Amino acid sequence: EVQLVESGGGLVQPGGSLTLSCVTSGFPFDNYDMTWVRQAPGKGLEWVASIKKDASDKYYADSVRAKFLISRDGAKNTLYLRMNNLREADTATYYCARGSEDDGMEPLDPWGQGTPVIVSS
Amino acid sequence: DILMAQSPSSLSASVGDRVTITCQASEDIMTFLAWYQQRPGKAPKLLIYDSSTLKTGVPTRFSGSGSGTEFTLTISSLRPEDVATYHCQQYDSLPLTFGGGTRVELK
Repeated sequence: EVQLVESGGGLVQPGGSLTLSCVTSGFPFDNYDMTWVRQAPGKGLEWVASIKKDASDKYYADSVRAKFLISRDGAKNTLYLRMNNLREADTATYYCARGSEDDGMEPLDPWGQGTPVIVSS
Repeated sequence: DILMAQSPSSLSASVGDRVTITCQASEDIMTFLAWYQQRPGKAPKLLIYDSSTLKTGVPTRFSGSGSGTEFTLTISSLRPEDVATYHCQQYDSLPLTFGGGTRVELK
C-alpha cells in the first residue's frame, strides 16, 4: 500500500523556522517527483514546491521562494520542506503528494494526511 | 500563471440529484485537468485525471469532460458520502494551480 505520512508541523512564532518531513512507503521513492501543497484554514489548495525524482530541479511558488527549501533523501524514502522566516500568511495544513513517474506532468496521487503549521505570537 | 475559475463555490442538492461543477482555465491546458475530492477534515483524493479518466476504484457516478479551457465534473446521482469539497487542478505547467473549490452539501 502506498503511504505518505507527514510530520514536523506545530506552533511557531513569526520569523521562526520549521522542517516538515514526509515519510513514504509502498512505492519506489526514487522514481517519482514529489510535491508540497498547503491549505490555509477555510481556504483552497495552494501549490508550494516540487522536486524532480533525482533532485536535479526544484520549483517554488513565488510566495515561498527564498524562504522555503524542498529536498529529499532516497535512503530514507523521505521528502522534506525547510521553512524559514515564517509569517502568519504561512499558517496552513501542509500536504505532501506524489507526482509524476515519467518526464511529463501528472496529477498528484496519493496525498498524505497533512501536518498543521500555525504561525502566531 | 494559469488561473482556474471554479463554479459554483457551494451547492446544496438532494440524494439522487445530478450535480455539475465547472472549471474554466485562463488558457488552453488541453486535457491536463484533475478533479480531487476532499471530505471534511481529510486530505484530497484524486477522482479523475486527464479530464475524463476515472481513477480505479472511483464510483462510476462520477464523470469528467472537457478540453482546452472548459471542464465539467458530474455526479450523476448524489449520495450522502459525496458530501465534500471538490477541487479542479491543472497540471499542464508550473506553477500547478487549483480552482477555489466547490462545497457540496445535502439539502
